Amino acid sequence: SQQGEEDPQALSIQEGENATMNCSYKTSINNLQWYRQNSGRGLVHLILIRSNEREKHSGRLRVTLDTSKKSSSLLITASRAADTASYFCATGRDRGGADGLTFGKGTHLIIQP
Amino acid sequence: DSGVTQTPKHLITATGQRVTLRCSPRSGDLSVYWYQQSLDQGLQFLIQYYNGEERAKGNILERFSAQQFPDLHSELNLSSLELGDSALYFCASSVDDPVGAGGVNEQFFGPGTRLTVL
Repeated sequence: SQQGEEDPQALSIQEGENATMNCSYKTSINNLQWYRQNSGRGLVHLILIRSNEREKHSGRLRVTLDTSKKSSSLLITASRAADTASYFCATGRDRGGADGLTFGKGTHLIIQP
Repeated sequence: DSGVTQTPKHLITATGQRVTLRCSPRSGDLSVYWYQQSLDQGLQFLIQYYNGEERAKGNILERFSAQQFPDLHSELNLSSLELGDSALYFCASSVDDPVGAGGVNEQFFGPGTRLTVL
């Protein structure tokens, strides 16, 4: 079953604009991760935010986490054509380490030149 | 390049057949995970191995099995294949603390094996 649900399902913006994607999850977590997938290829890890963190930055990426609302957001600033991809949030069940990730359905981001 | 390799890249087979997918983790990673990605089910965790032992199970069918060998490479065996098994199968690896203090770590994904069952 899907733990995370991304919103929106698809997003199309102009190059240079900011893109915001949201993710909601259902159970308690140790951390939440965001991954990017270019069409039909393997996933690439973007950023991990721990449950005791509220905000984290990595280059043009900014992630927030609100554990009271069980939600997270990913902001990509100054978007580029190369950012066109699907973005997934992922969580592990809070059972300490040994577990796979549960992914949402993803947001498909299209950056128009 | 994540450092995780998967073979084959593509596999086309018939219903009822059995296939084996192979994965080599990043150098130094002891954990291997298998995922299935399909249009209707999305990305689903199947199974995890840590240093040769099964550690966690997800939505893995009884027709599917996996193992991790002493050299840490892993194989996913899919048998009695059905049309609905057509999907992308990903392997991922990570450095996991077996005690699990901090939750699931960052995972490095291979390029996947695209399985088509006709």
